[in-house]
Amino acid sequence: NAGVTQTPKFRVLKTGQSMTLLCAQDMNHEYMYWYRQDPGMGLRLIHYSVGEGTTAKGEVPDGYNVSRLKKQNFLLGLESAAPSQTSVYFCASSHGGTGLLPLHFGNGTRLTVT
Amino acid sequence: DQQVKQNSPSLSVQEGRISILNCDYTNSMFDYFLWYKKYPAEGPTFLISISSIKDKNEDGRFTVFLNKSAKHLSLHIVPSQPGDSAVYFCAASAEFFSSGSARQLTFGSGTQLTVLP
Repeated sequence: NAGVTQTPKFRVLKTGQSMTLLCAQDMNHEYMYWYRQDPGMGLRLIHYSVGEGTTAKGEVPDGYNVSRLKKQNFLLGLESAAPSQTSVYFCASSHGGTGLLPLHFGNGTRLTVT
Repeated sequence: DQQVKQNSPSLSVQEGRISILNCDYTNSMFDYFLWYKKYPAEGPTFLISISSIKDKNEDGRFTVFLNKSAKHLSLHIVPSQPGDSAVYFCAASAEFFSSGSARQLTFGSGTQLTVLP
């Protein structure tokens, strides 16, 4: 049982390049989330999904797109990377979306945009 | 404007002593609070939670206290162990901030706890 798996673990991009971060969970969770963590700030929600085929904006969605074509996968895309998107990205999932159930996080993707 | 604040970026405690991590919030609509623990190169893991209808919740060595009037919660770890050295995040959620059917969690910036052997 792997839980939440993120790929890649590290990536360096040049400004303007695009990339997709992949998140996969094997816990049959309905809800999935993408967060970013920056120094001195808490984790901030980028986008989330309440089920297969659905997506919604979080606190900081600009510059990102997401897709949830399969229940177990949640993709985060950067169409034109900017230095401000240098961050550590965490994917999470939960069985329910009430905020009362704990999130299960992946180990993160460290992205650097030069 | 951060609605959940952890004003101490770091805390050092001797092994066996009590660790107290603090968290303040500004929005009175928050009604559920969680603590997560994070080791380097790993994702956060859930530690303990508390509903606003309670003022204390205990799980083994970990106890969370909630003071609603002061908008303050704290995590007590007794006794502290070297394996407790990690970053601790508090998080809060409110029905008011729910979007669709998903409540949102607002995280603090974290406190690095170091337990010295």
